[in-house]
Amino acid sequence: QLTQSPSFLSASVGDRVTITCRASQGINSDLAWYQQKPGGAPKLLISAASTLQSGVPSRFSGRGSGTEFTLTISSLQPEDFATYYCQQLTTYPPFTFGPGTKVHIK
Amino acid sequence: EEQLVESGGGMVQPGGSLRLSCAASEFIFSGYSMNWVRQAPGKGLEWVSYINSGSGTIHYADSVKGRFTISRDNAKNSLYLQMSRLRFDDTAVYYCARGRPGNLMDVWGKGTTVTVSS
Repeated sequence: QLTQSPSFLSASVGDRVTITCRASQGINSDLAWYQQKPGGAPKLLISAASTLQSGVPSRFSGRGSGTEFTLTISSLQPEDFATYYCQQLTTYPPFTFGPGTKVHIK
Repeated sequence: EEQLVESGGGMVQPGGSLRLSCAASEFIFSGYSMNWVRQAPGKGLEWVSYINSGSGTIHYADSVKGRFTISRDNAKNSLYLQMSRLRFDDTAVYYCARGRPGNLMDVWGKGTTVTVSS
């Protein structure tokens, strides 16, 4: 099971933002992060807890292993306002997603 | 560009059936596992079903087990989800998603909407 905090985050353009994902049991580094914009499909941002996918801006970064993981946006841009989900890739099925963190403009 | 396009959504009464399709293009479909993931209105992502490249391994979420059937036709580059005994809480946007090793979902379709309503 995955939990995310906060569930809702209000921030300004240029802010540094960190989202936390916690697993109920250790999952090594088998965690992914997805971004979903309103009305759109999810997009894979990060795999293996910290590997940025091709084309994803370097302001996104991921860290962590075991049970605690973070997604950080170093300088929030207008196009980053979205909902972010973590997903565990170790114990499956089910291929569990976290409940999501909605980032909106302050 | 690698692409997935879902179709087959619509409105159906409780207890009814619907078959979703997902057409893949610009990648070797037969080399990848595939998934269905759904999102109820205003809610988060819920993984629904998984099928490996050769259809030899299939998994379902408990919420759909016994009611939904996933299948694929590699010759037609297509993924399917047969849904039966539909319930109100099956109302959602249904996405198909390609799976990389570990079932990392790296390519997603735009989704098709299923509404279960009387």
